[in-house]
Amino acid sequence: GAGVSQSPRYKVAKRGQDVALRCDPISGHVSLFWYQQALGQGPEFLTYFQNEAQLDKSGLPSDRFFAERPEGSVSTLKIQRTQQEDSAVYLCASSLEGGRNEKLFFGSGTQLSVL
Amino acid sequence: GENVEQHPSTLSVQEGDSAVIKCTYSDSASNYFPWYKQELGKRPQLIIDIRSNVGEKKDQRIAVTLNKTAKHFSLHITETQPEDSAVYFCADGNKLVFGAGTILRVKS
Repeated sequence: GAGVSQSPRYKVAKRGQDVALRCDPISGHVSLFWYQQALGQGPEFLTYFQNEAQLDKSGLPSDRFFAERPEGSVSTLKIQRTQQEDSAVYLCASSLEGGRNEKLFFGSGTQLSVL
Repeated sequence: GENVEQHPSTLSVQEGDSAVIKCTYSDSASNYFPWYKQELGKRPQLIIDIRSNVGEKKDQRIAVTLNKTAKHFSLHITETQPEDSAVYFCADGNKLVFGAGTILRVKS
C-alpha cells in the first residue's frame, strides 16, 4: 500500500469490552509507533517496536494496554476492559529505519469511543 | 519527565503575513526536532525537520531554527495562505514527545 493503514477507522465500545486496533505499516519500514491523541491535544507516545521487538512501552497507561508485532510487520494494540478515559484517536506511525530520530509516517488513526 | 512546551496555542494571521511558532525542550542530549501539520480530521504529516548539527533549515515558505544553548526551536511560515490553516505540532524526536499543538488560522 501507499501509506500506513489502520483499521477500524471508528470503534464504539461499551465500557468493560475488549478492543483490538490494527496497524499495517509501510512495507519495509523497520520501526512502528503507537500514539494516543485526545481531542485538542498532541499525540502521546504509547509504545515503539523495531521489527518484532518492543523496545519501549513506557507510555502504555496501564496493564490493560498491550501491543504486539509478532512478525515485524502488522501490529495490534489491544485494550482490555475499556474505560471512558480510553476514548481517543489511536495513531500508528512507521519509519524506514530503526531508531527514534526519523521521519514518522502516520496512519489516519482509529477513533475509539467508549460509552 | 521529558517535556516539550509549545506556544502559542492559537495563532490568527492575515493572508500574506508571517507566522512563528516556538517550542522548548528539556533534554540537552536531544538532537532531532520535527514539525508536523495536521489538518482537521486528517493524519499528521511531516513538513520540516532539523538536526542539531545545523541552526536553520528552509524549504520554500517554511523554515525552522534551532538554538541548542537555549533549548528551543521555532517554525517560521512566510507569505501565509489559507491552506496553511491547520494544527502544527513540534516534537522532540529522540524522546518521541510532541507539543500540545498550535491552531493556525490564516484569514483571507
